Amino acid sequence: AQKITQTQPGMFVQEKEAVTLDCTYDTSDPSYGLFWYKQPSSGEMIFLIYQGSYDQQNATEGRYSLNFQKARKSANLVISASQLGDSAMYFCAMRANTGGFKTIFGAGTRLFVKA
Amino acid sequence: DAGVIQSPRHEVTEMGQEVTLRCKPISGHDYLFWYRQTMMRGLELLIYFNNNVPIDDSGMPEDRFSAKMPNASFSTLKIQPSEPRDSAVYFCASSLRLTFTDTQYFGPGTRLTVL
Repeated sequence: AQKITQTQPGMFVQEKEAVTLDCTYDTSDPSYGLFWYKQPSSGEMIFLIYQGSYDQQNATEGRYSLNFQKARKSANLVISASQLGDSAMYFCAMRANTGGFKTIFGAGTRLFVKA
Repeated sequence: DAGVIQSPRHEVTEMGQEVTLRCKPISGHDYLFWYRQTMMRGLELLIYFNNNVPIDDSGMPEDRFSAKMPNASFSTLKIQPSEPRDSAVYFCASSLRLTFTDTQYFGPGTRLTVL
């Protein structure tokens, strides 16, 4: 069975510091994609970053990077130089053939950025 | 390029009333998804379409829920009759294809409150 686990219900980070949000996944499929979404208090779901299972390098998008450790089945999101606007809920998600490519989501981590 | 558009953004209705939520996917995307988000259950996939055809409606909670996609640029999710337990945020999302590399892009969501 496929599963996404986010073990941190809430995280605090000081403005301008880096923060890592944890995500572990479980799938027996060799081909899968990992995604991170941001949900601010306004409610929309914003796509942040993607990592494919065959990608050799960690994905980066601006201040966002994905620490992909395939053997450990982890795909942690790293936000550098946190800003107050980064305060939001963050969801890790996965798509794989086994699940009919349906996207499964973790429970989310709420990030609070302190001034 | 416009993202996924949903309307209304907020809907308050009374138990027993019919509710219709609307979605316009990103132009050119072949797949459209309807999700429901609640605190208790997180994000749940209700149904998805490929080229306007419903492919998997196994997530639709009961017969009170129905979804249609009459053309490539419009879909509706209808609840009739609505009940207080239907209160949630309903998201529409679209993706170009259905592979592990394809990103789903979400609309802003409709916050439904059934009194």
